[in-house]
Amino acid sequence: GDSVTQMEGPVTLSEEAFLTINCTYTATGYPSLFWYVQYPGEGLQLLLKATKADDKGSNKGFEATYRKETTSFHLEKGSVQVSDSAVYFCALISMNSGYSTLTFGKGTMLLVSP
Amino acid sequence: DAGVTQSPTHLIKTRGQHVTLRCSPISGHKSVSWYQQVLGQGPQFIFQYYEKEERGRGNFPDRFSARQFPNYSSELNVNALLLGDSALYLCASSRTEMNTEAFFGQGTRLTVV
Repeated sequence: GDSVTQMEGPVTLSEEAFLTINCTYTATGYPSLFWYVQYPGEGLQLLLKATKADDKGSNKGFEATYRKETTSFHLEKGSVQVSDSAVYFCALISMNSGYSTLTFGKGTMLLVSP
Repeated sequence: DAGVTQSPTHLIKTRGQHVTLRCSPISGHKSVSWYQQVLGQGPQFIFQYYEKEERGRGNFPDRFSARQFPNYSSELNVNALLLGDSALYLCASSRTEMNTEAFFGQGTRLTVV
């Protein structure tokens, strides 16, 4: 079945450092890809998405490019802030017969220090 | 506009009891999905409901059940609770059953003791 693999954390960075969180997927066809963010004690918030190959999703300084050749969707940010500290989940949409589901990676915790 | 609302936010139950969790989707959204997030893991799909019908079910035992009401709100029921059912239960709403964009609630933190 479909699966998502993302780098294990925690990722610890100083403020203004460059961020990369790796994500690769296994799926049939070319599913839409997502990054969700979860702040402590909260639910999931959609950060960005890409629906087809070579699409770049971007939001709040974060970006990720849908690479079908490498089945990857790595999350990047040029300069992180303390407020970016959270858990980041890579996910894909699995299309089934009559319904769809989100398949998530295990999450990567990001800790940013001042 | 209100987002996805879930209730209660936290609850503690004893092994063997049953629990009911509630979710109200975004206005205009007809699909509700339930996910279980165990500590340190990504969410796992439990159910999807659309137009009051179950459309999909994940790999969960029959102790888990759900339903959707005419106003599109939903309940998740878990019977005979086990310690391993302790998790954050997330509800997601979307306009259709092919939810290319899902919006999540804050979740219900269930602790089974």
